[in-house]
Amino acid sequence: DQQVKQNSPSLSVQEGRISILNCDYTNSMFDYFLWYKKYPAEGPTFLISISSIKDKNEDGRFTVFLNKSAKHLSLHIVPSQPGDSAVYFCAASRGTGGFKTIFGAGTRLFVKA
Amino acid sequence: DTGVSQNPRHKITKRGQNVTFRCDPISEHNRLYWYRQTLGQGPEFLTYFQNEAQLEKSRLLSDRFSAERPKGSFSTLEIQRTEQGDSAMYLCATRDAPSATNEKLFFGSGTQLSVL
Repeated sequence: DQQVKQNSPSLSVQEGRISILNCDYTNSMFDYFLWYKKYPAEGPTFLISISSIKDKNEDGRFTVFLNKSAKHLSLHIVPSQPGDSAVYFCAASRGTGGFKTIFGAGTRLFVKA
Repeated sequence: DTGVSQNPRHKITKRGQNVTFRCDPISEHNRLYWYRQTLGQGPEFLTYFQNEAQLEKSRLLSDRFSAERPKGSFSTLEIQRTEQGDSAMYLCATRDAPSATNEKLFFGSGTQLSVL
């Protein structure tokens, strides 16, 4: 039962262009969504998040959009840089507290110089 | 704040052996999680502690797996009678007391387990 889905295993983008990573979820009880970035041989690191009461959150080059009716969120990176090349995980959690965070399978982003 | 520390970074073992991993959390974080990640997949939840209490354990987790967090500080994850299917990256993550704006997890670098 995959509650968080990232259907694109990989994405290749030219430096300076926009990268758009997509994520779908099935559990309507999720109320907090996060994106993590992972480099090889390291643990995931937090990138940006959004509460379900919002539809957009922006932090520098990174913007996350949430469409609750479609149960869909996306991460936009603009402009993309070669250092952004990594695996990006979409994640979701339910309620404040200790509830576990559920992760998608990840999308590997390649930013070509 | 030195972050979440995991030891060892790599572990190679023979099938049937027992292995133990350690996680040292960020000192003020009272919530600690263990995840497992295999190639091409995202982190999969294994178990969760609030202080020393183990509050949730994945239904998918075999009873060969056990975790402890004595005194609510470091945690250990033990796998008994390892199988080749246990080969994965084992990740520890911690987080501070929850709030509406504090859902993010801090991950360690993981322990890569290879069962031969």
